[in-house]
Amino acid sequence: SQQGEEDPQALSIQEGENATMNCSYKTSINNLQWYRQNSGRGLVHLILIRSNEREKHSGRLRVTLDTSKKSSSLLITASRAADTASYFCATIGGGADGLTFGKGTHLIIQP
Amino acid sequence: NAGVMQNPRHLVRRRGQEARLRCSPMKGHSHVYWYRQLPEEGLKFMVYLQKENIIDESGMPKERFSAEFPKEGPSILRIQQVVRGDSAAYFCASQMGREVEQYFGPGTRLTVT
Repeated sequence: SQQGEEDPQALSIQEGENATMNCSYKTSINNLQWYRQNSGRGLVHLILIRSNEREKHSGRLRVTLDTSKKSSSLLITASRAADTASYFCATIGGGADGLTFGKGTHLIIQP
Repeated sequence: NAGVMQNPRHLVRRRGQEARLRCSPMKGHSHVYWYRQLPEEGLKFMVYLQKENIIDESGMPKERFSAEFPKEGPSILRIQQVVRGDSAAYFCASQMGREVEQYFGPGTRLTVT
């Protein structure tokens, strides 16, 4: 089963609304990261939150981490058409060296 | 400061040929990771290298795949005798140290015909 699993798999909202994506994981982690991938492109790092942090902000992004529930959420406020992309959470920890990615949430912002 | 560079961006190989994918990390980064992404899937870790050392290759298929990161030059992911199932996007990422963010290259899209 996936270490990081995003929910929902797809999300379509109107421009200006807020978008919330969730991620669950299974093993202990050192940190959790969120990435964005535009169709057919590479990944862009959005934000990293360490296991001893509970919330982090970066511009219109807000990430929370609940290690007791092994879950994280990514909130994008005041969404824009340019936010249309796939969003992945990735964890590192549990003895693994590489990032473990979920399958992603495909976000569509309707103009 | 240029980002992570990968080439070629697209590579088409016939079954049985060899594929060589190159990755130049960001300046000052000595940690390199390779990932594979199948359509509609997340990325899967393949291998983690530092200069002249393979640190973790637990995600690499046991046969036909190899990786290196020489003292000079880019990291190379080599796939021998490619098969259709190798068709995927291959991404490399570099990192300055552990426990910090990884920066990804644009990927190489391999198509095996």
